[in-house]
Amino acid sequence: AQSVTQLDSHVSVSEGTPVLLRCNYSSSYSPSLFWYVQHPNKGLQLLLKYTSAATLVKGINGFEAEFKKSETSFHLTKPSAHMSDAAEYFCVVTVEMDSSYKLIFGSGTRLLVRP
Amino acid sequence: DGGITQSPKYLFRKEGQNVTLSCEQNLNHDAMYWYRQDPGQGLRLIYYSQIVNDFQKGDIAEGYSVSREKKESFPLTVTSAQKNPTAFYLCASSPTSGTGANVLTFGAGSRLTVL
Repeated sequence: AQSVTQLDSHVSVSEGTPVLLRCNYSSSYSPSLFWYVQHPNKGLQLLLKYTSAATLVKGINGFEAEFKKSETSFHLTKPSAHMSDAAEYFCVVTVEMDSSYKLIFGSGTRLLVRP
Repeated sequence: DGGITQSPKYLFRKEGQNVTLSCEQNLNHDAMYWYRQDPGQGLRLIYYSQIVNDFQKGDIAEGYSVSREKKESFPLTVTSAQKNPTAFYLCASSPTSGTGANVLTFGAGSRLTVL
């Protein structure tokens, strides 16, 4: 069965230090993968998506993610954290369902940025 | 600007009452979705619709109902049969073809509290 696992429920970093949010997926075919960000009491915003083109995907706000098929991972990184990056981040994988697709959400990682 | 509008933002309901959450989009997207978000959990799919006058149950449809009479609108009714309705509800939409297929655009959410 297809699934997605976010390995950390909380990550805390200092402002200006690198960010790593980990995501592993399980899929029986080549999936599409996404990262979304959610600020408190807001909807989700797309950060980036992987759809079988380049394995290193660049997103908004300096974030990027690398698709590693051998490790079934799609970790999200940023070289230098900013206070405004504090939010919850969701890794998402697509699942083929009948003639359409369904999105499976990870349980989320809350990023805390210390001054 | 195109987007998704959810209303109301906050809603309080007494036990035994039905409530309807509104979702309107002006993105000309064919597909619309309703998700439920609980603390510490990822998003869970309630209902989705790929086309007007057609919709399918998601993973947690019990106690909910929807309609899709217009392309722009996908209201969700939380019925008295839903045993634990207090949650944050998110509406989303997406194209069903092209490079944007399966990329969700989210509304800002509606927070329902049962008193």
